[in-house]
Amino acid sequence: GAGVSQSPSNKVTEKGKDVELRCDPISGHTALYWYRQSLGQGLEFLIYFQGNSAPDKSGLPSDRFSAERTGGSVSTLTIQRTQQEDSAVYLCASSLGGQGNQPQHFGDGTRLSIL
Amino acid sequence: GEDVEQSLFLSVREGDSSVINCTYTDSSSTYLYWYKQEPGAGLQLLTYIFSNMDMKQDQRLTVLLNKKDKHLSLRIADTQTGDSAIYFCAETPNNAGNMLTFGGGTRLMVKP
Repeated sequence: GAGVSQSPSNKVTEKGKDVELRCDPISGHTALYWYRQSLGQGLEFLIYFQGNSAPDKSGLPSDRFSAERTGGSVSTLTIQRTQQEDSAVYLCASSLGGQGNQPQHFGDGTRLSIL
Repeated sequence: GEDVEQSLFLSVREGDSSVINCTYTDSSSTYLYWYKQEPGAGLQLLTYIFSNMDMKQDQRLTVLLNKKDKHLSLRIADTQTGDSAIYFCAETPNNAGNMLTFGGGTRLMVKP
């Protein structure tokens, strides 16, 4: 079956612009996660959704970052007024229910470059 | 806080066994995972182990967990060139949400 799908696969934008990244989880997975992978910081958790609610947003680095999920399916991560330090690969993962024995499956990520 | 450590690099010859090590500090970790990342791709789940187990085997992969020492290892038998990738260990305390804390990754290079 289809895995986690992310779009775009690559995004280049100018500093100060807003960007939207999209994640389409595996069908039937109620839990959805966003992570960021950068050279300096490794893999960092950003936000977790259970259904359409986000019980944990503790990893979002600043108020320029926001995310939403609609219909218990697709999620978008929005970065406003992008900065060069936002350049990274943004990875989305989904799992059946968010428990430890329901492992997370990752998409191929969106590589974001801020000029 | 939580911390997961891995060595940066491992080089082996094709056909040999590879052992990738990981240490973690969170004693409440309940699940530990191994993911593989090839260039330009996302993370591929390889295997995971519950903390009340000390070993899990899945084809060429063997995971060993020493909970007392908070040490996790991944052994790849008969390593192939296609196994060349970055390997990440990750842990979760199995709280609501199960967000993962990752190590920095070990780059495995397999020489023919």
